[in-house]
Formats: sequence, structure tokens, C-alpha cells
Amino acid sequence: GEDVEQSLFLSVREGDSSVINCTYTDSSSTYLYWYKQEPGAGLQLLTYIFSNMDMKQDQRLTVLLNKKDKHLSLRIADTQTGDSAIYFCAENKGAGGSYIPTFGRGTSLIVHP
Amino acid sequence: NAGVTQTPKFQVLKTGQSMTLQCAQDMNHNSMYWYRQDPGMGLRLIYYSASEGTTDKGEVPNGYNVSRLNKREFSLRLESAAPSQTSVYFCASSVQGRYGYTFGSGTRLTVV
Repeated sequence: GEDVEQSLFLSVREGDSSVINCTYTDSSSTYLYWYKQEPGAGLQLLTYIFSNMDMKQDQRLTVLLNKKDKHLSLRIADTQTGDSAIYFCAENKGAGGSYIPTFGRGTSLIVHP
Repeated sequence: NAGVTQTPKFQVLKTGQSMTLQCAQDMNHNSMYWYRQDPGMGLRLIYYSASEGTTDKGEVPNGYNVSRLNKREFSLRLESAAPSQTSVYFCASSVQGRYGYTFGSGTRLTVV
């Protein structure tokens, strides 16, 4: 199976909340990340959470981490059309004193007016 | 602007041609990475360099070589391009994997 799994699509109405879910495999990951990719652009770091935290809030973004189930979620409050993008979950995997990020396949968020 | 710079932004190659993708970062990061992104496949790691002077294979290294020229620069070389290497290539850097990864804007490569 894949190291990091995410659903491929999510469709919401403008103003609603969006919740994007992710499961990962490496329990030793120290950092978990959410990235956003707009069409034709590179990946932009949205937020990250340390493995010793359960929740992190940053303006409209809330990240929840369940280490027992290796489950990570990203909630976007009051979703706007400008939030339409692909969202990638990533975990850090230890590799000989450094870390390698492993990404999911990305969730395409479509926001309808 | 500080960040990761990739050149070129677009490239079309014929099968069998060679080329080098350039990547440079000015954030004094130790680690650098090359990914390819294909539709429906997410990002797959080609090679990475944990620190200056070291390089290691990632998930899909076949057909590629890399050089960590100095702390700032990490290049990716295709010796004999194949249509299967048509993709978008991203370079990224980090402080040894902590505090997130900074990505370049990508190189869109087409091999015909």
C-alpha cells in the first residue's frame, strides 16, 4: 500500500468548511505537513504540526493529528473559491540523520460559488 | 526574492537527447531534493542530497543522475531522454527536513 493516502477529490460550496483527510505510515515521523498547489505552480507550505501536538490552528486552518490511528486532517473554515487547489499531505521519514518528505497523491479541492 | 530557483521553466527534448535541470537555493539549507510530478501519481522522489557532498537515490532514480555542486546548487541530469520522462520536475530544499520544505516553481519537460 501507499505510504501516505488521501482521497483524490473534495467538492464544497463557498462558505462551507472543508475537511481533507490523510493517513500515514511512519510512526516515527516528527513533522507532518500540508501543502497547497495551484494550477501551474509549485507546492506552497500551508502549515505543519509536530508529532507531539494534537492540534494546531492558524487563522482559517485547523490541523488535527491522531497519532494512534496515524491520521491527519486539515480543516479550512469559510472556504473560498481561491482555496480551490490540490492539497498534499506529507510525512517526514528518517533517513540516515536527515529526513525525506513522502507525499500523498493530493486531494483536489473544488469550491463551488 | 529568497527561495528555490529552477531553470529552465519549460523544455522540449527529442528522445535520446541529454539535458541538465538546474536548481539553486539561497536560504542556506542543508538538504535538497528532486521530485517528478505526474498526473494522478503525486510527487515521487528521484534523488536527494542530505548535505553538501552526499547524494542518495529516491524512489524513481533510473535514467537520472545528480550533482550537488555546492551547498546552494543541486542539478539533475537526463543522459538519454525517453518519453516516459515527460513530467514536471520540482526541486526542493530544507533545513535537514525540519520546518518544512521550500519548492521551486518547476520545470515542465516534454520528451518527443
